[in-house]
Amino acid sequence: DVKVTQSSRYLVKRTGEKVFLECVQDMDHENMFWYRQDPGLGLRLIYFSYDVKMKEKGDIPEGYSVSREKKERFSLILESASTNQTSMYLCASSPRHISNTEAFFGQGTRLTVV
Amino acid sequence: AQTVTQSQPEMSVQEAETVTLSCTYDTSENNYYLFWYKQPPSRQMILVIRQEAYKQQNATENRFSVNFQKAAKSFSLKISDSQLGDTAMYFCAFMKHEGGNMLTFGGGTRLMVKP
Repeated sequence: DVKVTQSSRYLVKRTGEKVFLECVQDMDHENMFWYRQDPGLGLRLIYFSYDVKMKEKGDIPEGYSVSREKKERFSLILESASTNQTSMYLCASSPRHISNTEAFFGQGTRLTVV
Repeated sequence: AQTVTQSQPEMSVQEAETVTLSCTYDTSENNYYLFWYKQPPSRQMILVIRQEAYKQQNATENRFSVNFQKAAKSFSLKISDSQLGDTAMYFCAFMKHEGGNMLTFGGGTRLMVKP
């Protein structure tokens, strides 16, 4: 089975802290994504990566950065956490060259910034 | 840019009955894919069904089927013989044919199946 694993299910951080959300996939997928999920807004794309060390901004990249040093791992970084970044964060992966394939998701990290 | 709209924030259905979830989208693309994803309380997103825009035939997966109206840019999900395990958030999503597999999601519909 394809597995996408996010390092934490729940996280509580203080305003101004640097926060790392980690995501690992075991299917050798080229594409990896970070989405943010908020009630009524669905999922919105923060960043994606189509290869090691490659990254592209999604729809809402402000306040976030990403790192992809290894193919299987994609990290989301909140440089200075703010309360408006309290949300559910979902990581996903998919193969690159099959454009109609499904994306496989992690179980999400619910981040609370206090 | 693409937008996806789900106009029903919440719905409920009795067990064994049929329910239809609505989704409309806006795009200038001609080739694309549409998806319905399910997110149960466990939070694990699961693909329910997928439709390729160039295919006229509506996709079906067991109790799940879609009504794809390309000209109207409508993509509704019908769940037949609803089961308690169908209780979940349902998201409609759009993907361009050559778009790096990025998904654009609607706001979601929370479905409650009642015994």
